[in-house]
Amino acid sequence: GAGVSQSPSNKVTEKGKDVELRCDPISGHTALYWYRQSLGQGLEFLIYFQGNSAPDKSGLPSDRFSAERTGGSVSTLTIQRTQQEDSAVYLCASSLERQGHEQYFGPGTRLTVT
Amino acid sequence: TQLLEQSPQFLSIQEGENLTVYCNSSSVFSSLQWYRQEPGEGPVLLVTVVTGGEVKKLKRLTFQFGDARKDSSLHITAAQPGDTGLYLCAGAGGSGNTGKLIFGQGTTLQVKP
Repeated sequence: GAGVSQSPSNKVTEKGKDVELRCDPISGHTALYWYRQSLGQGLEFLIYFQGNSAPDKSGLPSDRFSAERTGGSVSTLTIQRTQQEDSAVYLCASSLERQGHEQYFGPGTRLTVT
Repeated sequence: TQLLEQSPQFLSIQEGENLTVYCNSSSVFSSLQWYRQEPGEGPVLLVTVVTGGEVKKLKRLTFQFGDARKDSSLHITAAQPGDTGLYLCAGAGGSGNTGKLIFGQGTTLQVKP
């Protein structure tokens, strides 16, 4: 497809389990962003990739959160030892280049930690 | 820390009414974007404003960027039920200029037929 895709669309996991969320950006987009959207918190920035490097990880809430990007394309966000407060919609966005600032979002992964 | 205050948070109006959503900050942004989000979907970009004082129109939607590039507004004329959704403003140009967006809290708009 032409847009940003994310998988899975929904994930229910038990507290303490690890989860992996995947993002496929628009082909040719060098910049990739992860955001988290939760009730009462709005949309929060998590991490930014330029190519395979992550020059800005300032939004990751704890060391249980990590992300990587390979081949300048697909990115995976991993949450270890999930907690109930991790429940949220995780959104991925890509941009042709960071200076453009026009970001295109995927549909998100709704994570529920029980 | 850069913050964007968006108001109102909720708006319920009748079809045909006009409305304005405001986005304010004490910080300067290099650009500001407006998104619309439907339930179960990601935000969809409506417009980007870059120049202070800039006004852009998208059919019945008018977007304005403040002269000092600290605030923006979205005005909808003759709202339609199809305009229902969550409207988000987002500012770019934070520290390090990584392009990360700072989002307002969002405005949930309901337009009743």
